[in-house]
Amino acid sequence: EVQLLESGGGLVQPGGSLRLSCAASGFTFTNYATIWVRQAPGKGLEWVSSISGSGSTYYADSVKGRFTISKDNSKNTLYLQMNSLRAEDTAVYYCAKGLSGSNGVGDSWGQGTLVTVSS
Amino acid sequence: DIQMTQSPSTLSASVGDRVIITCRASQSLSSWLAWFQQKPGKAPKLLIYKASSLESGVPSRFSGSGSGTEFTLTISSLQPDDFATYYCQQYNTFSFTFGPGTKVDIK
Repeated sequence: EVQLLESGGGLVQPGGSLRLSCAASGFTFTNYATIWVRQAPGKGLEWVSSISGSGSTYYADSVKGRFTISKDNSKNTLYLQMNSLRAEDTAVYYCAKGLSGSNGVGDSWGQGTLVTVSS
Repeated sequence: DIQMTQSPSTLSASVGDRVIITCRASQSLSSWLAWFQQKPGKAPKLLIYKASSLESGVPSRFSGSGSGTEFTLTISSLQPDDFATYYCQQYNTFSFTFGPGTKVDIK
């Protein structure tokens, strides 16, 4: 059974940094993309970033240059380093396992972690 | 970037109704479109991928069709568990854009 567990969310001031983690199990980490998707309170879904099984990275324009996606294959853990945070980054952040053959569609999802950017 | 629209934004329906949700893209996606269901406070759930392929474990009352720029999600007979918000997502380009969502509520 695929399981994904996010952690690292919390309250951070504008301009600050936060690192999210996503512990994955139940699939071969290097064979699939892993993805971050966020959802601002009361709003729709927004793709944030993906990393392919081989390590290629992709970012939404809204976070490019501020967020960095990475993974540790030995720990089956996905990360999202978020710098220069803004109020508009406030959201629940979900990690997901990529659908076979896709770098952007999640077929299994974690429960999400809330990031609040506020002074 | 590819822009995605969905219609309607809200849909009121009764149990047993046939429900159709439309998703349109600003440029051709071929068949690279997925549909998700999301309930309040929960993670999205993949229903359909590659426009018409049913994800494992998803009831057969859900179906997807379309190609190019226009796609539909059909629920053949709405069940109480289906009241939720539905999103389309394109994966033809690396922007992986979601549609704005369609909320299906009880009539």
